[in-house]
Amino acid sequence: QKEVEQNSGPLSVPEGAIASLNCTYSDRGSQSFFWYRQYSGKSPELIMFIYSNGDKEDGRFTAQLNKASQYVSLLIRDSQPSDSATYLCAAFTGGGNKLTFGTGTQLKVEL
Amino acid sequence: DVKVTQSSRYLVKRTGEKVFLECVQDMDHENMFWYRQDPGLGLRLIYFSYDVKMKEKGDIPEGYSVSREKKERFSLILESASTNQTSMYLCANQGVNQPQHFGDGTRLSIL
Repeated sequence: QKEVEQNSGPLSVPEGAIASLNCTYSDRGSQSFFWYRQYSGKSPELIMFIYSNGDKEDGRFTAQLNKASQYVSLLIRDSQPSDSATYLCAAFTGGGNKLTFGTGTQLKVEL
Repeated sequence: DVKVTQSSRYLVKRTGEKVFLECVQDMDHENMFWYRQDPGLGLRLIYFSYDVKMKEKGDIPEGYSVSREKKERFSLILESASTNQTSMYLCANQGVNQPQHFGDGTRLSIL
C-alpha cells in the first residue's frame, strides 16, 4: 500500500463548478498535510497546508482533514480553466521529517 | 519568498557523459532534496541531505551521486549518463517541519 494515494484522474469539471480532489494516507502518525499544484512542464507550487481536523479555507480553496478516516481533500470553488493542472497531496510520514507525495490528480476545467 | 534556483531549465547531454545539475537556495534551510519526475510515476526521491557534507539515499539512487559542500548548494551528479535518465529533475529545500519548496526544474535529455 502506498503511503499517500490519489486517483490519477483526469477529473473533469465544468467552469464555475466545485472540484473535489481526494487523498488518503496510511501512516496514522502523520500530522501535517500539503497540497501542491503543478502546471504541465512546471514545478510543483504549494497552495495549501492543513494540520488540524476540519476545514481550512483560503480564497476559492478549502482543505479538509479527517484524521480518523485518514483522508484529506481539496475543494476548489468556482473552478476556472486556469485551475487545470495536476494536484499533488503530500504528508509527513515515518514519524520524521520525510515528506511523501502522492502521484497526483489531473484536473481539467472545461469551458 | 523562498527561492530555489536550478542552474539550467533545459539540458541535452550524450550517453556516457558526466552531468552536473546544480541547485542553490537563498534560505538557511538544512534540508535539500533531488527528485526526478516521469509521466505516470510521480515524484521519485533520488537523494537528500540534512546538512553540509551529509547525504542520504532516496528511493532511486542508482546511477546518481550528490555533493553538498556548502549549505546553500546541493548538486546532483550523473556519473555516466544513460538514456533512461532522460527526465525532469526537481530540487527542493525544506525547513524543519515545513513544506518543501521547489526550483523550476531541469528537463534533461540524454541522447
